[in-house]
Amino acid sequence: NAGVMQNPRHLVRRRGQEARLRCSPMKGHSHVYWYRQLPEEGLKFMVYLQKENIIDESGMPKERFSAEFPKEGPSILRIQQVVRGDSAAYFCASSPRPGGSSYEQYFGPGTRLTVT
Amino acid sequence: AQSVTQLGSHVSVSEGALVLLRCNYSSSVPPYLFWYVQYPNQGLQLLLKYTTGATLVKGINGFEAEFKKSETSFHLTKPSAHMSDAAEYFCAVTHTGANSKLTFGKGITLSVRP
Repeated sequence: NAGVMQNPRHLVRRRGQEARLRCSPMKGHSHVYWYRQLPEEGLKFMVYLQKENIIDESGMPKERFSAEFPKEGPSILRIQQVVRGDSAAYFCASSPRPGGSSYEQYFGPGTRLTVT
Repeated sequence: AQSVTQLGSHVSVSEGALVLLRCNYSSSVPPYLFWYVQYPNQGLQLLLKYTTGATLVKGINGFEAEFKKSETSFHLTKPSAHMSDAAEYFCAVTHTGANSKLTFGKGITLSVRP
């Protein structure tokens, strides 16, 4: 069973460009979480999605950031007009469903975004 | 709101020595607690978790942690450190009603000296 897939693993963008980060959850998982890890800090929750729905986006910056999880295909985290402060590692995690006896999330290897 | 405090950013132990990584949480509702390990340039791997039941939980690679409600702690221990344990360790918390979104501590880097 393949784990959570993220691509690209490394992404370099110039200021003002757009960044698209992709996440394919584990097979059978329909819940996706995005987290951001800034240098010297822990992971910060950004957004929680189910197929075709944004459930909780309380951690998303108000501007330039958006996320989707379409019926078919991977979840996408999109950052428009990137700035140097967006440089970070972005992790995706998936779970079969929230709560229950597990509460467990499975993390992908992350996408490391560098803005020059 | 929930929070996690991991005191100190770096712990260094000798190979074979006891590993103790501290984690304290704040939560107004019963917490669910996790320890994750992150190796350089990799994603997070779950070491162990506490949801309900036994407060002493055992995880992978010989690690264990004890949930102490009275101390709001969930410290991670391993009796004997191995060189391969060198990594960054994150404590995280969630709770029922939080949609399982995790609140992480800042992490602790563990170094193991030969």
